[in-house]
Amino acid sequence: GESVGLHLPTLSVQEGDNSIINCAYSNSASDYFIWYKQESGKGPQFIIDIRSNMDKRQGQRVTVLLNKTVKHLSLQIAATQPGDSAVYFCAENGNTGKLIFGQGTTLQVKP
Amino acid sequence: KAGVTQTPRYLIKTRGQQVTLSCSPISGHRSVSWYQQTPGQGLQFLFEYFSETQRNKGNFPGRFSGRQFSNSRSEMNVSTLELGDSALYLCASSIAQGTTEAFFGQGTRLTVV
Repeated sequence: GESVGLHLPTLSVQEGDNSIINCAYSNSASDYFIWYKQESGKGPQFIIDIRSNMDKRQGQRVTVLLNKTVKHLSLQIAATQPGDSAVYFCAENGNTGKLIFGQGTTLQVKP
Repeated sequence: KAGVTQTPRYLIKTRGQQVTLSCSPISGHRSVSWYQQTPGQGLQFLFEYFSETQRNKGNFPGRFSGRQFSNSRSEMNVSTLELGDSALYLCASSIAQGTTEAFFGQGTRLTVV
């Protein structure tokens, strides 16, 4: 079936540390994945995406890793800042034309 | 370049009423998708419009409908509102249909009392 899930509902990290948010997906036909950040009272904000022909993609302070063998996606945030505190969602957009979201992981950054 | 604009930001309706929400996509984007976000169910896909045609539909009852205009602006309508329809309704725009970056608006917070 179609489902995208995150391993942990809440992740607490110290400011300056690196954060890793994980996501598992079940649809092996999925060929496109996106990470979103949602702050309180706002809509999801696009962070980074990756297509299934890649294993890794880097942005500014963020890296997305894709392991198709185990259907696992992760978002790494370097030098986590208080402004990174938010709910993070992974989403897949396989061959259905619609985004399927995970339940979200809340990232808490401790000063 | 303006982002995705959703109006209104907040709405309070009573059971049985109907509501229309509006979404203006990013200029040049032709695909508009709608999502419902609730604490219990997360983000769930409602439908996608491209070139004024519904291209994809989620698992929601027929009370939920939408349309897209020639300028790519979209509206969604919910009839015979139920308490369970209380949610944040999000609109996302993309340049094209399918696997492309989708950018979200701030959402419309609908409360049904």
